[in-house]
Amino acid sequence: EVQLVDSGGGLIQPGGSLRLSCVASGFTFRTYTMNWVRQAPGKGLEWLSYISTSSNTIYYADSVKGRFTISRDNAKNSLYLQMNSLRAEDTAVYYCARDGNSYGPDFDYWGQGTLVTVSS
Amino acid sequence: QSALTQPASVSGSPGQSITISCTGTSSDVGGYNYVSWYQQHPGKAPKLIIYDVTKRPSGVSNRFSGSKSGNTASLTISGLQAEDEADYYCNSYTTSTTYVVFGGGTKLTVL
Repeated sequence: EVQLVDSGGGLIQPGGSLRLSCVASGFTFRTYTMNWVRQAPGKGLEWLSYISTSSNTIYYADSVKGRFTISRDNAKNSLYLQMNSLRAEDTAVYYCARDGNSYGPDFDYWGQGTLVTVSS
Repeated sequence: QSALTQPASVSGSPGQSITISCTGTSSDVGGYNYVSWYQQHPGKAPKLIIYDVTKRPSGVSNRFSGSKSGNTASLTISGLQAEDEADYYCNSYTTSTTYVVFGGGTKLTVL
């Protein structure tokens, strides 16, 4: 069974840093591209970042470019999101999501989400 | 980046059919057959229900179907059931920003 387990969220002060993790199981992690998507309270989904299988290709949304860094460790079946210079508007549930077999962004499996609250 | 445009809400009675639109530009929806749709129940992670405009993942009911005309993609749900009440999001590959753009979401109410 494919599983993605998100963790690392919590309460953090503005300007602070946090590292999210996503541990994958039930599939060959190293062969799938991965993404981070977030959802602010009561709002819609916002794609944040993409990473290719070998980490050679990385994309970011403009809203997080320069502040967030996506990475992966295929040996540990893990995806990460390093978040720096956090702002109140970064408060959201953060999901990791696997790209399916299409060439386009079809996110076929999602983590359960981890809540990040940026507040003083 | 600009989100794809979806109606904020739609509603229908059990057994009826509804359609949710997702309007973009030639840089995303209109230019590529890479539109996906997701269903999200309150407090849950999104679930992929349509990808590549018209394809259904294994296990998804055939009551869900997708189509596209020009810069607008559509999700149709036939034979509405109470369990279909949820938020629905589209996304698309895009060349105007980087990789992915989501729609703002549509709340479906089953009357």
